[in-house]
Amino acid sequence: EDQVTQSPEALRLQEGESSSLNCSYTVSGLRGLFWYRQDPGKGPEFLFTLYSAGEEKEKERLKATLTKKESFLHITAPKPEDSATYLCAGHYGGSQGNLIFGKGTKLSVKP
Amino acid sequence: ETGVTQTPRHLVMGMTNKKSLKCEQHLGHNAMYWYKQSAKKPLELMFVYNFKEQTENNSVPSRFSPECPNSSHLFLHLHTLQPEDSALYLCASTLDRRGYTFGSGTRLTVV
Repeated sequence: EDQVTQSPEALRLQEGESSSLNCSYTVSGLRGLFWYRQDPGKGPEFLFTLYSAGEEKEKERLKATLTKKESFLHITAPKPEDSATYLCAGHYGGSQGNLIFGKGTKLSVKP
Repeated sequence: ETGVTQTPRHLVMGMTNKKSLKCEQHLGHNAMYWYKQSAKKPLELMFVYNFKEQTENNSVPSRFSPECPNSSHLFLHLHTLQPEDSALYLCASTLDRRGYTFGSGTRLTVV
């Protein structure tokens, strides 16, 4: 069964304290790995898509990387406005290319 | 605004009521999705529409009835719901499955 697992479930950081979020996935059939940010009461906001091992993408303080078994979302010198839930999703193909989501990591950044 | 608009934002309904959720996109996307997001659970795919045709029903109870009259509009008709159906219902759309755009969701409470 295709599966996406995120860790930790929650992460508390001080402003400026860099860290990483993990997303592990079952390998077979993966066509893309998505990262989303979700603020309370809102829908997920697209951040990155990664397609092959070794690929990296950056946006402001965020950097996403992909290996053959997992993806990392690195947060460098976070600010309080980076506080949100970060969702990882695997795109497993099929005729509709449905996304399988992890449960998310809730990030809190304290000033 | 993401380009995917959901209404209403909040809905409280009794178990014997009938209500509908609406999703609208003018991004030129040709596939639309309904997801359910419950606390402590990953986003769950409910229905997929591709070019107005329902191509997937992810074992959703019949008290949820989707409708897609055209490629820009998607509805979710609700009747005789249960309290455990209370959740955030998210609509998403995509053109090429390389990027999925989500709406802000409808927070549904069944009393």
